[in-house]
Amino acid sequence: DAGVIQSPRHEVTEMGQEVTLRCKPISGHNSLFWYRQTMMRGLELLIYFNNNVPIDDSGMPEDRFSAKMPNASFSTLKIQPSEPRDSAVYFCASSRTNEKLFFGSGTQLSVL
Amino acid sequence: DQQVKQNSPSLSVQEGRISILNCDYTNSMFDYFLWYKKYPAEGPTFLISISSIKDKNEDGRFTVFLNKSAKHLSLHIVPSQPGDSAVYFCAASAISGGGADGLTFGKGTHLIIQP
Repeated sequence: DAGVIQSPRHEVTEMGQEVTLRCKPISGHNSLFWYRQTMMRGLELLIYFNNNVPIDDSGMPEDRFSAKMPNASFSTLKIQPSEPRDSAVYFCASSRTNEKLFFGSGTQLSVL
Repeated sequence: DQQVKQNSPSLSVQEGRISILNCDYTNSMFDYFLWYKKYPAEGPTFLISISSIKDKNEDGRFTVFLNKSAKHLSLHIVPSQPGDSAVYFCAASAISGGGADGLTFGKGTHLIIQP
């Protein structure tokens, strides 16, 4: 299995620009998670989907953040407009319901 | 409010010695605990877990100990090897079996194994 695939691996953008992060979960997994890692807060859950439906988005920091899962094999996390404090590593992860979590390699986002 | 706390941001251990990584939690509803390991430029990967009905779980060089009364768990690595240098995340779940949708992570401890 190819594992969880995220793109891009690195994103450098200017403040105010729109950023879109992409994720392809492991085939057969029905839960998908977006996490953000920072030095200050560690690994924070932003949102998770079960069977393509958003279940808990209480971790999404602001309305500038949105996530979609149009089908079982694709999800996006969008930040519009981006700000320097959004700079972090964003991880996508997937699992079967109530089973172990598998992470992608992450997207390193730098907002200048 | 951090429900899972890893108070040591970093730990340096000599190769061949024991590494002990600590984790404290505050939520008494947590009943399943996991450790994830993360190398630079990679995502975290599952390492070892323990259910609250046990106080110890061993897998090769890795052992996790759970002290429920103290709300404390620790990961022991014996003997430590250079490839163990990584960031270790402690995670806890209130869902039986450690369901992914209930995981709360700590901030991580960066373990450095010195030759």
